[in-house]
Amino acid sequence: AQSVAQPEDQVNVAEGNPLTVKCTYSVSGNPYLFWYVQYPNRGLQFLLKYITGDNLVKGSYGFEAEFNKSQTSFHLKKPSALVSDSALYFCAVSVTGGGNKLTFGTGTQLKVEL
Amino acid sequence: DAGITQSPRHKVTETGTPVTLRCHQTENHRYMYWYRQDPGHGLRLIHYSYGVKDTDKGEVSDGYSVSRSKTEDFLLTLESATSSQTSVYFCAARGSGSNSNQPQHFGDGTRLSIL
Repeated sequence: AQSVAQPEDQVNVAEGNPLTVKCTYSVSGNPYLFWYVQYPNRGLQFLLKYITGDNLVKGSYGFEAEFNKSQTSFHLKKPSALVSDSALYFCAVSVTGGGNKLTFGTGTQLKVEL
Repeated sequence: DAGITQSPRHKVTETGTPVTLRCHQTENHRYMYWYRQDPGHGLRLIHYSYGVKDTDKGEVSDGYSVSRSKTEDFLLTLESATSSQTSVYFCAARGSGSNSNQPQHFGDGTRLSIL
């Protein structure tokens, strides 16, 4: 069975500072990894994905994520946080042939303060 | 987002009553999904569909049924609602193709309260 862990319920960062939201995963086979963001009373919005190739993936709104196979991690990063980045972030995993059935982490609330 | 509309957006009902939630998409996506979101659990898959009249169970399917008679509509039914089914329900869809690497796109959710 596949699983995702987001070890931090909340991350606080000052505007302009770099941010990292952590994600580790467990799958049998090669993973497809995704990050989504959720704003209040809205659905999830796709940020970026890792399928294969370059371990550093760039996505929307200046976000990027680094795939680390040996550590089974896929941490979300941004060089300079904005107050508007404050939201709930979800990491998700699927595998080949899995019908794109995503398994989500429990989410990390990001709070960016002035 | 990606032409996915959920209805109703909010609903309050009583234990034991039937409830149907609707998901409508305009992008002709083959695959559609129903999730529930609960604090401390993230999103959990209830049922999904891989084509008209083709559906399968997810990890939390007990007490739920689905139907897909047209490509654009995916219905989720609670035959006899219970308080444990109070949740926010999200529909998602993704583009055609069997690859699992395409992102799912989500509707804005239905907040369901069962009293």
